[in-house]
Amino acid sequence: AQSVAQPEDQVNVAEGNPLTVKCTYSVSGNPYLFWYVQYPNRGLQFLLKYITGDNLVKGSYGFEAEFNKSQTSFHLKKPSALVSDSALYFCAVRDIDNYGQNFVFGPGTRLSVLP
Amino acid sequence: ETGVTQTPRHLVMGMTNKKSLKCEQHLGHNAMYWYKQSAKKPLELMFVYNFKEQTENNSVPSRFSPECPNSSHLFLHLHTLQPEDSALYLCASSQGSASGSLNTGELFFGEGSRLTVL
Repeated sequence: AQSVAQPEDQVNVAEGNPLTVKCTYSVSGNPYLFWYVQYPNRGLQFLLKYITGDNLVKGSYGFEAEFNKSQTSFHLKKPSALVSDSALYFCAVRDIDNYGQNFVFGPGTRLSVLP
Repeated sequence: ETGVTQTPRHLVMGMTNKKSLKCEQHLGHNAMYWYKQSAKKPLELMFVYNFKEQTENNSVPSRFSPECPNSSHLFLHLHTLQPEDSALYLCASSQGSASGSLNTGELFFGEGSRLTVL
């Protein structure tokens, strides 16, 4: 079965500094990996995904993620954090059983960007 | 605007009430999902419909009853709920998977329905 871990409940970073939100995964085949962001009282918004190809994936709002197969990681990064990036971030993997119909989400990491 | 609309956004109900949550997507997708998001717990997949057929029922109590009349609409019927069912219920959609093909598309979420059971 597929699983996702986000080892940090909370990440604090100063505005203008680079940020990293960590994600590791366990899958039985090729990984299909996703990052989502959730602002208070809102649904989840898609940021980016890795299916195949370049290990560095670029997404919305200046975010990018680096796929590392040997470390089974898919960390989310941004070169310069904004206060408005403060939100809850979820890493997810597409469950390849049942033709990839299901997503398995990590527990989420709360990012606080301090002015 | 994600193309997935949920109503109502907020719902307060007693344990003996019957209510329904509605989800509608305008993205031409064929798969629809219900997730439950409770405080301090991971997102819980509840139900999945692929081309209007239920393909996943993640051990959800029978007091939650899904209905998918067509690929654009998804309902969650609620009856005799418990206070611990209070949560944010999220609807999502994605491209469906025809038999033998793998779906690699992302999920598109609605804004959620905040349910409070008294």
